[in-house]
Amino acid sequence: QQQVKQSPQSLIVQKGGISIINCAYENTAFDYFPWYQQFPGKGPALLIAIRPDVSEKKEGRFTISFNKSAKQFSLHIMDSQPGDSATYFCAAGMDSSYKLIFGSGTRLLVRP
Amino acid sequence: NAGVTQTPKFQVLKTGQSMTLQCAQDMNHNSMYWYRQDPGMGLRLIYYSASEGTTDKGEVPNGYNVSRLNKREFSLRLESAAPSQTSVYFCAGRQASSYEQYFGPGTRLTVT
Repeated sequence: QQQVKQSPQSLIVQKGGISIINCAYENTAFDYFPWYQQFPGKGPALLIAIRPDVSEKKEGRFTISFNKSAKQFSLHIMDSQPGDSATYFCAAGMDSSYKLIFGSGTRLLVRP
Repeated sequence: NAGVTQTPKFQVLKTGQSMTLQCAQDMNHNSMYWYRQDPGMGLRLIYYSASEGTTDKGEVPNGYNVSRLNKREFSLRLESAAPSQTSVYFCAGRQASSYEQYFGPGTRLTVT
């Protein structure tokens, strides 16, 4: 019940295309869903996050779509750029503990 | 501000050796975390410290110990290293009432 399942494991997209990464969770007590971005040799950094009271959040080219009934959320990267090439992690957390459960990660490669 | 710093960046140990990974932050974080990152496994929580003076086990605590020396520093100790502990270790910090975790640059540990 504590797992967060992430797919795909890897993704190759052409420059200008849309990258889509999906996550699913089981525990309905989760109330915070962030996405972290990690470049090679660096630690992960928060990219964008959403609470379950909204279905979508957009920041620039990055959008989280959230489906509470399906217990799924996804990251959409519009107009993908080579500089977006990185590993992306979804996560889920709950107010009672502030701990995060991370997905297994998606390695994104954006080809020029 | 240096943010979250970790030392060393790289380390090679022989099976049975011990070592301590150091983490320090200058961001006034109340909570601090230790994760390990393995291919296809995402980030798994080893131990965390919700506040100065407290520590708790995470998902994969076996073979590790931690010390929250003061508010700034949180160390991870391997008493008798095993090849299964070969991984990249990340320290993270979080301010009170915020979910966002700030990660250090990581320590790449190899146990032979």
